[in-house]
Amino acid sequence: QVQLQQSGPGLVKPSQTLSLTCAISGDSVSSNSVAWAWIRQSPSRGLEWLGRTYYRSKWFNDYVVSVKSRITFTPDTSKNQFSLQLSSVTPEDTAVYYCARLKNGYCDYWGQGTLVTVSS
Amino acid sequence: DIVMTQSPDSLAVSLGERATINCKSSQSVLSSSNNLKYLAWYQQKPGQPPKLLIYWASTRESGVPDRFSGSGSGTDFTLTISSLQAEDVAVYYCQHYYSTPFTFGPGTKVDIK
Repeated sequence: QVQLQQSGPGLVKPSQTLSLTCAISGDSVSSNSVAWAWIRQSPSRGLEWLGRTYYRSKWFNDYVVSVKSRITFTPDTSKNQFSLQLSSVTPEDTAVYYCARLKNGYCDYWGQGTLVTVSS
Repeated sequence: DIVMTQSPDSLAVSLGERATINCKSSQSVLSSSNNLKYLAWYQQKPGQPPKLLIYWASTRESGVPDRFSGSGSGTDFTLTISSLQAEDVAVYYCQHYYSTPFTFGPGTKVDIK
């Protein structure tokens, strides 16, 4: 059974960097058959797919254009986890952030969600 | 980017009655190479992450009750709950995974009448 456990701060100051980690059990971050995604949800934006990271002989990342200049996904094979970093945050980045496993593109396993508030 | 829309925004259905949710994509999500429709449905209850119900537009995820079914063409899709149960009260989302970004619809809230 795949489980995704999210961790990271729930409060980030404006202009700083949001950092979250998703620890994977029951699968491998470097699996050749799935991908790993970050999705966020807010009342104003709904469910917003932020991007994915995946391994197919080498690592690939896809990011949504709206945050592409500010976002980085980092897989950590030694800890079997992947991380999200979103820089220069504003209050518009306040949301519940989810990690998820992508199988063929659909999200079959989700993390528990982390409410991140951007406020001074 | 492919834009997903859903209708209605919300609906209230009597227990045991049918609920129908529509989803439309701004372009086809049907692959000509494998004839698969890259469309998924999720159910979300308050305080929980979304739960996968349907993928490939009509394939039910393991453990999902058979009162949930999906259908559709290349751009127009439907999620049907054949006999609404109290535990089905939730928000339902469609999502395409045809090309990145894999965008979601705005959601349809289902309540009991």
